[in-house]
Amino acid sequence: DSGVTQTPKHLITATGQRVTLRCSPRSGDLSVYWYQQSLDQGLQFLIQYYNGEERAKGNILERFSAQQFPDLHSELNLSSLELGDSALYFCASSVVEGRGEKLFFGSGTQLSVL
Amino acid sequence: DQQVKQNSPSLSVQEGRISILNCDYTNSMFDYFLWYKKYPAEGPTFLISISSIKDKNEDGRFTVFLNKSAKHLSLHIVPSQPGDSAVYFCAASANSGGYQKVTFGIGTKLQVIP
Repeated sequence: DSGVTQTPKHLITATGQRVTLRCSPRSGDLSVYWYQQSLDQGLQFLIQYYNGEERAKGNILERFSAQQFPDLHSELNLSSLELGDSALYFCASSVVEGRGEKLFFGSGTQLSVL
Repeated sequence: DQQVKQNSPSLSVQEGRISILNCDYTNSMFDYFLWYKKYPAEGPTFLISISSIKDKNEDGRFTVFLNKSAKHLSLHIVPSQPGDSAVYFCAASANSGGYQKVTFGIGTKLQVIP
């Protein structure tokens, strides 16, 4: 158990709809990352928040948005969903170790857009 | 632009033998490298890391080697066990605007045959 909690585990929805994925980081971790893993793709970085502020943006579509709340939980909002948005979405929190940063991942939300 | 490349999508190894997973990178600014292991229906979990100032790091059956001149790292698992069967992601991080930006490869699926 990584200590990172993601809900829901599975989400099935239709094209054009909007969904919200939720993440609670490990206790004490200030950073939250969102990643997308599509079939045969690696972990594509979407966005990072640190203590409520957006810190970095990756390959995140304009139809997607995220925020981190004062209690440090984060939500990823996906709107106008398309078939290609079907993927596994991971949230991670992190701890800095020496010169690097170790990520702790949740178990993911499997999104299926039909 | 794939800055972290795992060119072998899959690898099969006999139980008890050595597994060698390879990773190449292109960004010379990367200064910290990590390996993550992912089982189906779970999030990636941290396995081992290495700083760019080292060329080897060992943790039990797992050893990571870094060749900076070749921009290449490898993960050795000796001896391989059936429980090691998973997808292994190589990751690299670099300081970007005051924070660590982590880039993942697409993963290598390891199958250890009993």
